[in-house]
Amino acid sequence: AQSVAQPEDQVNVAEGNPLTVKCTYSVSGNPYLFWYVQYPNRGLQFLLKYITGDNLVKGSYGFEAEFNKSQTSFHLKKPSALVSDSALYFCAVREWEDYKLSFGAGTTVTVRA
Amino acid sequence: NAGVTQTPKFQVLKTGQSMTLQCAQDMNHNSMYWYRQDPGMGLRLIYYSASEGTTDKGEVPNGYNVSRLNKREFSLRLESAAPSQTSVYFCASSDGSSGNTIYFGEGSWLTVV
Repeated sequence: AQSVAQPEDQVNVAEGNPLTVKCTYSVSGNPYLFWYVQYPNRGLQFLLKYITGDNLVKGSYGFEAEFNKSQTSFHLKKPSALVSDSALYFCAVREWEDYKLSFGAGTTVTVRA
Repeated sequence: NAGVTQTPKFQVLKTGQSMTLQCAQDMNHNSMYWYRQDPGMGLRLIYYSASEGTTDKGEVPNGYNVSRLNKREFSLRLESAAPSQTSVYFCASSDGSSGNTIYFGEGSWLTVV
């Protein structure tokens, strides 16, 4: 069975500082990994995904994520956070040929001015 | 671009009442999903439809039924609502292949009193 862990419920950073949101996963086969962001009272917006190839994936709004197979991690990063990045972030995993996407519990990011 | 459209946006039900959440996508996707979101639990899959004419149970199907009416539409029915079904419900769709992104609607906020 596939699963995702986001070990931090909350991450607080100052504007302009680097932002990291952690994610680890467990799958029996090859993983497909996704990050989504949710703003208050809105749906989930896709940020980026890892399917295969380069371990560093670049996505929307200046976010990137690094796939680390040995550590089974897929941490989300942004070099310089903005106040507008304050939101709820979800990591998700899907196994090859599986239709289902399994989500972590989410990490609330607060960026202070 | 409408993407995934859900109705209604908000609904209050009394215990024991029934209702149907409607979902339609205009991206010609084969697969559609219903998730529920509860605080601290991420998103949990209720039902999914890999393709028109098929439906399968997800993690939390009890108390729900679904209908894949055609390729565009996938409805979720609560036959006898319970307070435990108070949640935010998200419909989603994808092209089916494991590596393809799942796109979400804006959500339906349901309160059962």
